[in-house]
Amino acid sequence: QVLLVESGGELAKPGGSLRLTCVASGFTFSDYYMAWIRQAPGKGLEWISYISNTRHTIQYADSVKGRFTISRNNANNSLYLHMNTLRADDTAIYYCVRLLIIGEQEAFDVWGQGTAVTVSA
Amino acid sequence: DIQMTQSPSSLSASIGDRVTITCRASQTIDKYLSWYQQRPGEAPRLLIYAASTLHSGVPSRFSGSGSGTDFTLTISSLQPEDFGTYYCQQSYSTYIFGQGTKLNIK
Repeated sequence: QVLLVESGGELAKPGGSLRLTCVASGFTFSDYYMAWIRQAPGKGLEWISYISNTRHTIQYADSVKGRFTISRNNANNSLYLHMNTLRADDTAIYYCVRLLIIGEQEAFDVWGQGTAVTVSA
Repeated sequence: DIQMTQSPSSLSASIGDRVTITCRASQTIDKYLSWYQQRPGEAPRLLIYAASTLHSGVPSRFSGSGSGTDFTLTISSLQPEDFGTYYCQQSYSTYIFGQGTKLNIK
């Protein structure tokens, strides 16, 4: 069974830091690009970052560039999101997501259950 | 950035109805378009990619069409488990989602 399990979400203060972790199982993690997508309360979906399977390619949305860092450890099937200088508008559920690439087409085909981050004083 | 606009923002339909949701891109995205379903309290689920390719395990009552800037998601005969919010998403230039279409029971 293909599974992504996130952890690390909690209440943090503005300006603080958090590290989210996602552990993958049921597929060859090192073969896939991975991403983080977030959803603010009652709002839509926002892609924030992805990392290639070899870690050679990384991209960020402008909203988190310079504050968040994505990384992965293929040896232990883990994806991370290091979040610094947190702001109230970072409050959201953060989903770990697998990126399906078929030819030139890409889609997010496996989603974790999400971990909730709340930024408040 | 490419903007994705869905319509309607919400709609009400009955079991057995044919439902169509549209998604418009602010510039051409060829067929780099996916559709997702999100039921309340759950993570999103991939339905369609490449504008019209049904993802594995998705019922055949779902279909997608379009290319360039205009796309549609159609549910041929609405079932109880189909209620929730639907999102389109382009992968032509990074990844941008539409604002969502909430599908309610009439």
